[in-house]
Amino acid sequence: ETGVTQSPTHLIKTRGQQVTLRCSSQSGHNTVSWYQQALGQGPQFIFQYYREEENGRGNFPPRFSGLQFPNYSSELNVNALELDDSALYLCASSLGEGDYEQYFGPGTRLTVT
Amino acid sequence: GQSLEQPSEVTAVEGAIVQINCTYQTSGFYGLSWYQQHDGGAPTFLSYNALDGLEETGRFSSFLSRSDSYGYLLLQELQMKDSASYFCAVKTGGFKTIFGAGTRLFVKA
Repeated sequence: ETGVTQSPTHLIKTRGQQVTLRCSSQSGHNTVSWYQQALGQGPQFIFQYYREEENGRGNFPPRFSGLQFPNYSSELNVNALELDDSALYLCASSLGEGDYEQYFGPGTRLTVT
Repeated sequence: GQSLEQPSEVTAVEGAIVQINCTYQTSGFYGLSWYQQHDGGAPTFLSYNALDGLEETGRFSSFLSRSDSYGYLLLQELQMKDSASYFCAVKTGGFKTIFGAGTRLFVKA
């Protein structure tokens, strides 16, 4: 059984650009959550997808959007990048939508210049 | 607003016991989780409490008091490899998970 993987590992973008980050959940996990983690801070919940539908969202603007696919992969899209979007982006998968045990990927380090 | 409070840093010696506290104020509560994160690594799940009381998993134990909106993580027989950041997290309504800012644990020889 493979763990949660994310790509790319690092990414540098310019303010105003758009970015797509990818995540591959553990097989059989129907739920994926995305988090933003600034240096020295805890992960901030962006949103959760269950069976390809968004079913929970944190305090992030609409320019943060996502997709979940039937093959346990998912994407986080961020439009109109701002300098404050520079952070580590983590995805986490779990079996069900209410499950408390989440399996995190290694993250994508995004730098916006 | 929703918030979780935990100490920013804790230092302890190898072999000792350390307790990391977490108080929370959230709209909706379904359980308190604890995660460990080493520098440069991903958070890994340690424990979960949905009901009041103590849960024990090896050297780690976690406690919850829902009436006090309070929980703690207890680490026994500390080892150098336990040096990491520890986060409490609350599962709230709307399938959201709110994390604390983290407690950095330094274990000294």
